[in-house]
Amino acid sequence: AQKITQTQPGMFVQEKEAVTLDCTYDTSDPSYGLFWYKQPSSGEMIFLIYQGSYDQQNATEGRYSLNFQKARKSANLVISASQLGDSAMYFCAMREEGGSEKLVFGKGTKLTVNP
Amino acid sequence: DADVTQTPRNRITKTGKRIMLECSQTKGHDRMYWYRQDPGLGLRLIYYSFDVKDINKGEISDGYSVSRQAQAKFSLSLESAIPNQTALYFCATSDRTYSDSQETQYFGPGTRLLVL
Repeated sequence: AQKITQTQPGMFVQEKEAVTLDCTYDTSDPSYGLFWYKQPSSGEMIFLIYQGSYDQQNATEGRYSLNFQKARKSANLVISASQLGDSAMYFCAMREEGGSEKLVFGKGTKLTVNP
Repeated sequence: DADVTQTPRNRITKTGKRIMLECSQTKGHDRMYWYRQDPGLGLRLIYYSFDVKDINKGEISDGYSVSRQAQAKFSLSLESAIPNQTALYFCATSDRTYSDSQETQYFGPGTRLLVL
């Protein structure tokens, strides 16, 4: 069974609007971390945001916020006020703290911001 | 200057050759990682290091070795390159500590490796 599911292969959003990228996860480990990464077409990997399983508040970093719903095992990324430079592939990932430093990745969502 | 640098940025090599990918960081982080990315997929962990004397295998360490020469330097070697090691390789650091629930990661620009 997939541990990280990103159900949206592609998403489109108008510039300046908000967009939510979905991510659900599956784990029996009580301690885990959730990550979002951005990968533009240039190929670089950019860390966006981290949420620990014990964190009570949703993580935020500038225009990025992580909508963490633990009971639903959901960790959606919200990008506010989309910019053209936000067009990229976005990956959700999980690290189960009971094991190694291994990250399990979803298949990614390709976001396109339209002017 | 970039926080994490990788050299070379691109490399073409032949099957059986030994090559080294180098990574340097200026963040002062203890934790460093090597990942590979295959087309259309996320990252897979090759090796990671918590400090100069603490090096650990990741999920796909076969065919690779690493050296942590200093806190700032973490090198990845392919002992005898094979075509299925053709991939994009990333070095990364993390500011994570055992007592801190927060984490920020920093990635190098990546090395595109082609093994013929």
